[in-house]
Amino acid sequence: AQKVTQAQTEISVVEKEDVTLDCVYETRDTTYYLFWYKQPPSGELVFLIRRNSFDEQNEISGRYSWNFQKSTSSFNFTITASQVVDSAVYFCALKRGGSNYKLTFGKGTLLTVNP
Amino acid sequence: DTEVTQTPKHLVMGMTNKKSLKCEQHMGHRAMYWYKQKAKKPPELMFVYSYEKLSINESVPSRFSPECPNSSLLNLHLHALQPEDSALYLCASSQEGQIVHEQFFGPGTRLTVL
Repeated sequence: AQKVTQAQTEISVVEKEDVTLDCVYETRDTTYYLFWYKQPPSGELVFLIRRNSFDEQNEISGRYSWNFQKSTSSFNFTITASQVVDSAVYFCALKRGGSNYKLTFGKGTLLTVNP
Repeated sequence: DTEVTQTPKHLVMGMTNKKSLKCEQHMGHRAMYWYKQKAKKPPELMFVYSYEKLSINESVPSRFSPECPNSSLLNLHLHALQPEDSALYLCASSQEGQIVHEQFFGPGTRLTVL
């Protein structure tokens, strides 16, 4: 069975602070894929990143960075110098390899960035 | 064009009404999805279409009826819904193939069943 745990239900920070959203996953598959999505109040899920299980390279995209560690089954997401527009619910998700379509989502973390 | 569109944005219907939700994408994606999302919860997969054929039905009640008229369109027909079906309904699409691709989501339809 697959499982994604986002232990932080809500996080509140002040603008310009750095914030890390945690994601821990469980799977018995050797090939799997991890995703982060952002859901602002408008409702649309916005794709942020996909990471394959065989690629542990960390990634940086502007103020966003992701730390993938297979040894601890974690795929954490850091926002540097947070902005009010970063306020949203962030979901981490896991997908099996192969033709399986199903995403296993974590429960999400509500990030509020205060001015 | 990297957009998934959904209509209507909001829908209020009675339990005896029949309505349809529509989803469209022009990214050439051959997999399309319907999700249901209740407040403060992650999305739950309902249906998956692959090459216009229903591939997955996650034991969804028959009052929800999906349809994929062509590779760009996905409909969700609603009939005799219950108040507990009130939720955000999200459509998504992705490429098909051996390599796993991310799903792109539409803005959703907020459904209220009275």
